[in-house]
Amino acid sequence: DTAVSQTPKYLVTQMGNDKSIKCEQNLGHDTMYWYKQDSKKFLKIMFSYNNKELIINETVPNRFSPKSPDKAHLNLHINSLELGDSAVYFCASSLGTSGWGDTQYFGPGTRLTVL
Amino acid sequence: DAKTTQPNSMESNEEEPVHLPCNHSTISGTDYIHWYRQLPSQGPEYVIHGLTSNVNNRMASLAIAEDRKSSTLILHRATLRDAAVYYCILNSGAGSYQLTFGKGTKLSVIP
Repeated sequence: DTAVSQTPKYLVTQMGNDKSIKCEQNLGHDTMYWYKQDSKKFLKIMFSYNNKELIINETVPNRFSPKSPDKAHLNLHINSLELGDSAVYFCASSLGTSGWGDTQYFGPGTRLTVL
Repeated sequence: DAKTTQPNSMESNEEEPVHLPCNHSTISGTDYIHWYRQLPSQGPEYVIHGLTSNVNNRMASLAIAEDRKSSTLILHRATLRDAAVYYCILNSGAGSYQLTFGKGTKLSVIP
């Protein structure tokens, strides 16, 4: 069973379009995250949700809007896509707060290419 | 989160032990030391974590210096599948929701 799954795995789209990436975890975790890995391979936190509430929003443009319909899902919607949005997006989850030795479990990633 | 310093890259021969160092001289008393790795074209994967004592699990061992200003991830017998980027991350206590990834160490395993 896949612990953290993302769809789609690949996404190719034109500038200006709106797209969504879905994430689901079947681990019963309370906290979910979105990370972005750019072409230089740096992994950066974008958002964190705990029990469906936004905890972290790390200076991400408001074209990016996460939505958590329930604790098991955290979707990422991106409006008006730009070339610089091309990256690999990773979803992750953790039992609690990722402090006190908590572990994050990552999905396989979604490679977004904006043309 | 406090900063960590790792070598950009390391090489190891297959089936030999690998020691991946990490310096974290500004670590605070509540910082856990986490190691994650990212295999090519995959998401990061948890390896091990510790606070003060050395830790062992099925994947690796973590040796933490007595003053906690450095740590070493030990892979006892490197396999080709261990070729990955290894990240040493400090994570402070409750309420710290994010992992702050640095550049990591790219480990190459030579057959």
